[in-house]
Amino acid sequence: KQEVTQIPAALSVPEGENLVLNCSFTDSAIYNLQWFRQDPGKGLTSLLLIQSSQREQTSGRLNASLDKSSGRSTLYIAASQPGDSATYLCAVTFIIQGAQKLVFGQGTRLTINP
Amino acid sequence: DGGITQSPKYLFRKEGQNVTLSCEQNLNHDAMYWYRQDPGQGLRLIYYSQIVNDFQKGDIAEGYSVSREKKESFPLTVTSAQKNPTAFYLCASKTAGGPDTQYFGPGTRLTVL
Repeated sequence: KQEVTQIPAALSVPEGENLVLNCSFTDSAIYNLQWFRQDPGKGLTSLLLIQSSQREQTSGRLNASLDKSSGRSTLYIAASQPGDSATYLCAVTFIIQGAQKLVFGQGTRLTINP
Repeated sequence: DGGITQSPKYLFRKEGQNVTLSCEQNLNHDAMYWYRQDPGQGLRLIYYSQIVNDFQKGDIAEGYSVSREKKESFPLTVTSAQKNPTAFYLCASKTAGGPDTQYFGPGTRLTVL
């Protein structure tokens, strides 16, 4: 069964710190991996998408890495700000019998303290 | 502005009633999806549609129904057969196939009274 796991479930850090969010997945046959941001009571916003052939993607203060062989991805946030407080979801598109299936992790709720 | 809209934002239902959640997109996307999100959990796929007049069950389709009569619209009906319908429902769309990400609507919070 294809699963995506995010640890920890919640994280609280002081403003200005660099931090890493973790995502692990059970199957290396993936099409891509995405990181989403979700604010309370809102929909999801795509932050970064890494194709299976790529090792990392960067956008501003965000950097996402992908290691298919170990089934891991990290989202690095530099110089964190209170506005970064949100839930971050990792989602993996698995390839199952030629079809694509998107599976989400449970999310990490991030709080940046001023 | 292009995007996905969901209505209503909040919905209350009495036990035994069917309710329909609206999802509309003007992104010209072929594929549309419905997810359910419960507190502290990731999104779970209810139904998806790759093309007009065609849709498939996701992982938790029991107690739900959908239709796809128009490319822009993918309404979800929560029937009385759904035993625990209180949740946050998210609609998404994307271009069919390809590496593109899914674009999400703002969600509908359904509460059963």
